[in-house]
Amino acid sequence: EPEVTQTPSHQVTQMGQEVILRCVPISNHLYFYWYRQILGQKVEFLVSFYNNEISEKSEIFDDQFSVERPDGSNFTLKIRSTKLEDSAMYFCASSRTTDTQYFGPGTRLTVL
Amino acid sequence: AQRVTQPEKLLSVFKGAPVELKCNYSYSGSPELFWYVQYSRQRLQLLLRHISRESIKGFTADLNKGETSFHLKKPFAQEEDSAMYYCALYNTDKLIFGTGTRLQVFP
Repeated sequence: EPEVTQTPSHQVTQMGQEVILRCVPISNHLYFYWYRQILGQKVEFLVSFYNNEISEKSEIFDDQFSVERPDGSNFTLKIRSTKLEDSAMYFCASSRTTDTQYFGPGTRLTVL
Repeated sequence: AQRVTQPEKLLSVFKGAPVELKCNYSYSGSPELFWYVQYSRQRLQLLLRHISRESIKGFTADLNKGETSFHLKKPFAQEEDSAMYYCALYNTDKLIFGTGTRLQVFP
C-alpha cells in the first residue's frame, strides 16, 4: 500500500538557520498539507496546497514559512530563519480528494 | 469557532473491558469527522470516518448531531489497542484535531 514518506526523520539546527523539510506524497494524490505538533500539544494545521498554490494557511504559517512542489513528486516546507519555538514534529499529509488525509511519519525538528 | 474537544487525556482499562473515547465538536454545518490512531513511534493512521459508517478493528463511532459528539467505542479492548487516539473535524482544506486521548489497555 503506498504511503507518504518524509525526510529527514530528525533535523537539528541552530536558531536563525534555514531548514527544508521534504515529503513525497502518495503518487495519485492532488492535495498536500503540512501540520505540526509541539511536544505535549495537539496536531495543528499549517498549510494546504493544491494545483501549485496555497489553498489555505493558518496564522502560524507566517512569512518565515513557505511551501513548494519543485517537481512531480516532492513537496517541501521551508522555514527561513528558525526560532526555538519552531521545535516540533512536522507532519506532511496528502489526499486524493478533499476528504481523507494520509499522513507521513513526521520529521522531528529541534532548534537549538 | 470550529473546535474538537477530547476531555480525557488518559483512559486506562483492562483487556476485555469496553472502551469509549469521547469526542465533542463545535461546527456550524454538516460535520465531516474522523478518528485517527497513532501507535507508539508510528504515523497517524486513519481509523474511521463517519461517512463510511464502517467498523475497523472492532471500533465504531456514531455521529450524534444533537449532542455534537462522535464518540469512539469498542466492546472488548485488546492490549494492541494501546495508542493515542485523535478525533478530527474536516473544515475547508484542513483537519482540526482534538488534543488526543491515550488509551492504555492492561493485560
